[in-house]
Amino acid sequence: QSALTQPASVSGSPGQSITISCTGTSSDVGSYNFVSWYQHHPGKAPKLMIYEGTKRPSGVSNRFSGSKSGNTASLTISGLQAEDEADYYCCSFAGSITWVFGGGTKLTVL
Amino acid sequence: EVQLVESGGGLVQPGGSLRLSCAAPEFTFSSYWMHWVRQAPGKGLVWVSRINSDGYSIYYADSVKGRFTISRDNAKNTLYLQMNSLRAEDTAVYYCARMVNYHFDYWGQGALVTVSS
Repeated sequence: QSALTQPASVSGSPGQSITISCTGTSSDVGSYNFVSWYQHHPGKAPKLMIYEGTKRPSGVSNRFSGSKSGNTASLTISGLQAEDEADYYCCSFAGSITWVFGGGTKLTVL
Repeated sequence: EVQLVESGGGLVQPGGSLRLSCAAPEFTFSSYWMHWVRQAPGKGLVWVSRINSDGYSIYYADSVKGRFTISRDNAKNTLYLQMNSLRAEDTAVYYCARMVNYHFDYWGQGALVTVSS
């Protein structure tokens, strides 16, 4: 099972919006509404930011939103803040009770 | 607040064994699927294994199949990962994670496993 494809890095200034893409295949992202996104500050536990492609857990800022089209899912962060600087990973159910992650995207807030 | 606490990481020689534990004292552990996910140095997250709530349905990534064994003790609210025949490429931080509806809602802070002679 190949990893989902994410850009290695993205950057933006405070207040701006950025979007991170996550490209899979018709066997994972394209087949299931089970794409999730995680924020990971090194040395800490990853944190769920988006699940089922578009849903936000309680407590996650509404500046974070998700979408999906075909085999590509996207995470958009609006109104960038310094504390958003982290690594972001997408994940998709891939059938046969397996899951696949993206390679991760390092977000830099300039 | 849900907490997951991994333990058992360390330095092991190639070909050796190690057992990781993940304690989950704060929720109804026996109701949830549980997973192990790892992150090699400088690399991304990789799914390793899943066990269902009663422990009778288990799946592994191809890279660890036949070498790693996931298990759980619901009476002790603890998840395990027995790792045998360890290789250098198994060097990683190992996270346990709780699953709800096919997403990971809580994660531990990770346990570092280093395979080196």
